[in-house]
Amino acid sequence: QQQVKQSPQSLIVQKGGISIINCAYENTAFDYFPWYQQFPGKGPALLIAIRPDVSEKKEGRFTISFNKSAKQFSLHIMDSQPGDSATYFCAAKRHDMRFGAGTRLTVKP
Amino acid sequence: NAGVTQTPKFRILKIGQSMTLQCTQDMNHNYMYWYRQDPGMGLKLIYYSVGAGITDKGEVPNGYNVSRSTTEDFPLRLELAAPSQTSVYFCASSYKQGAAEAFFGQGTRLTVV
Repeated sequence: QQQVKQSPQSLIVQKGGISIINCAYENTAFDYFPWYQQFPGKGPALLIAIRPDVSEKKEGRFTISFNKSAKQFSLHIMDSQPGDSATYFCAAKRHDMRFGAGTRLTVKP
Repeated sequence: NAGVTQTPKFRILKIGQSMTLQCTQDMNHNYMYWYRQDPGMGLKLIYYSVGAGITDKGEVPNGYNVSRSTTEDFPLRLELAAPSQTSVYFCASSYKQGAAEAFFGQGTRLTVV
């Protein structure tokens, strides 16, 4: 049973465009929803996170939108840059932490 | 700050061999996790621990064992290695459940031949 579903699997965006990645979760016991960024050969690193009592969180060019009733959340990357090219994972956490399948983002110059 | 340290970085095992992947953290975190990441796939939770002496199964525990005798260390044991266990293994730690960042190690790339 996949507890966190992520889409799309891959995404190609032009420099300066908006990248949008979506996730949905099953278990309402999760109480923390982080996004991780992973570059090839490296471990995932926290990008931004949100708690379910907040509908939106913005940090620089990165924004999480959270819809508790729909059990969905999304990552928006504004003004996407080639350096943002990486794999992005959504996750849901309480005692354990479950990950989505990942989105490989490519930002073309 | 060392953070989360995994050893070894790379390992080739023959089918049927056993090995232990080491993970240690110096942040005094209670929560520790083991994940595997197959090529082009997400991270699958193998086991996790909420504190010394307490472990629990994740999504894909078969073929693995863990122990947590200290807060710092969370080794992952592979018994009777199989080709299906070829993967990149990540260890992570977190200060508490819920709203607390999980920090990852650099990973161990394991190949079973």
